[in-house]
Amino acid sequence: NAGVTQTPKFQVLKTGQSMTLQCAQDMNHEYMSWYRQDPGMGLRLIHYSVGAGITDQGEVPNGYNVSRSTTEDFPLRLLSAAPSQTSVYFCASSERGGLSYEQYFGPGTRLTVT
Amino acid sequence: GENVEQHPSTLSVQEGDSAVIKCTYSDSASNYFPWYKQELGKRPQLIIDIRSNVGEKKDQRIAVTLNKTAKHFSLHITETQPEDSAVYFCAAARTSYGKLTFGQGTILTVHP
Repeated sequence: NAGVTQTPKFQVLKTGQSMTLQCAQDMNHEYMSWYRQDPGMGLRLIHYSVGAGITDQGEVPNGYNVSRSTTEDFPLRLLSAAPSQTSVYFCASSERGGLSYEQYFGPGTRLTVT
Repeated sequence: GENVEQHPSTLSVQEGDSAVIKCTYSDSASNYFPWYKQELGKRPQLIIDIRSNVGEKKDQRIAVTLNKTAKHFSLHITETQPEDSAVYFCAAARTSYGKLTFGQGTILTVHP
């Protein structure tokens, strides 16, 4: 299994540009989440999904959109990039119920907005 | 919503000493408390977790304790080694919600 994969690994955007960060998992996990990580701020939840067709906002959702059309994929869209969105973005997935609630993280996308 | 506070923000110890990191949470319905280790430039990885029906859990040099009444939980690392140097995050969740709330992180440095 590849686990959780994210593309791209690095991205530089200009203010106002839009883009989509890709996330995919091959573990048939129902739960998927997007976090951003800023120095001294820990990991903050942007959006999450408990299954295909179901998404909800996390702690810092403004400026981001998500959709979950399949169990495997959970893309994060930046509508109009701003310098405040410069961060490292992690996607994570976990089982629903079962013996383990462990969240498996992707390798991250480092985004710089100039 | 849930709020998780983590202390200290930095911790420096000598090799062989013990390290303790503490977290408090606000949502009394939270029932799952994982700890993640993140090395520089890498993704967070689970090192140990505990559920609300257990007071303590050990895995070799690592242990986690949970006090539900006081709403706090702690990570204990014994016989620290330089490779334990990393950022450690605590988190709390209601398992039915499928999302974690993280603490701010602790930078642990183990000096040889």
